[in-house]
Amino acid sequence: GIQVEQSPPDLILQEGANSTLRCNFSDSVNNLQWFHQNPWGQLINLFYIPSGTKQNGRLSATTVATERYSLLYISSSQTTDSGVYFCAVNRDDKIIFGKGTRLHILP
Amino acid sequence: ETGVTQSPTHLIKTRGQQVTLRCSSQSGHNTVSWYQQALGQGPQFIFQYYREEENGRGNFPPRFSGLQFPNYSSELNVNALELDDSALYLCASSLDNTDTQYFGPGTRLTVL
Repeated sequence: GIQVEQSPPDLILQEGANSTLRCNFSDSVNNLQWFHQNPWGQLINLFYIPSGTKQNGRLSATTVATERYSLLYISSSQTTDSGVYFCAVNRDDKIIFGKGTRLHILP
Repeated sequence: ETGVTQSPTHLIKTRGQQVTLRCSSQSGHNTVSWYQQALGQGPQFIFQYYREEENGRGNFPPRFSGLQFPNYSSELNVNALELDDSALYLCASSLDNTDTQYFGPGTRLTVL
């Protein structure tokens, strides 16, 4: 089946820093989403981005479907950005999540 | 507009028992997906229901079963519970089976 790999697995940054999270997938997909899971376990949808670039405030995402990767950019990090970031792809009526990137933003 | 809700919030069962978890989808959404998330892992896809029909299933045994009702709410049933079934169970609803998913807060199941 399709493989979804996220990097880095862990990231520790000072408040105000910028970061780039990567998601690689092994085959073509129907769509791709980025999520943020807060410390209480709630998964928040960030982007639905099967291709192209989208921006929402300090966050932006780019998916290059032909090269099978997606990037999530976080600028001017805040402590509330801490948590786990997941990408998830949809293929053949199955939704596959990566193992996530755990982000710690230090005050 | 009401978001995705799940019940109960927490549940403790013993090995061999059966459990039913419930999910109410966001208004207007006809698709519900269920996931199992073990501690420190990413969510694992269990199955998806689209307009009351199962529309995709992950690598879970048949003792994991589900239903979707005419109002598009859904149930996840797990029979013959095992210790490894202890996890956070998440449901997500979407406008259709290829659209953005919105997650509920989850049900934390502990099997003793």
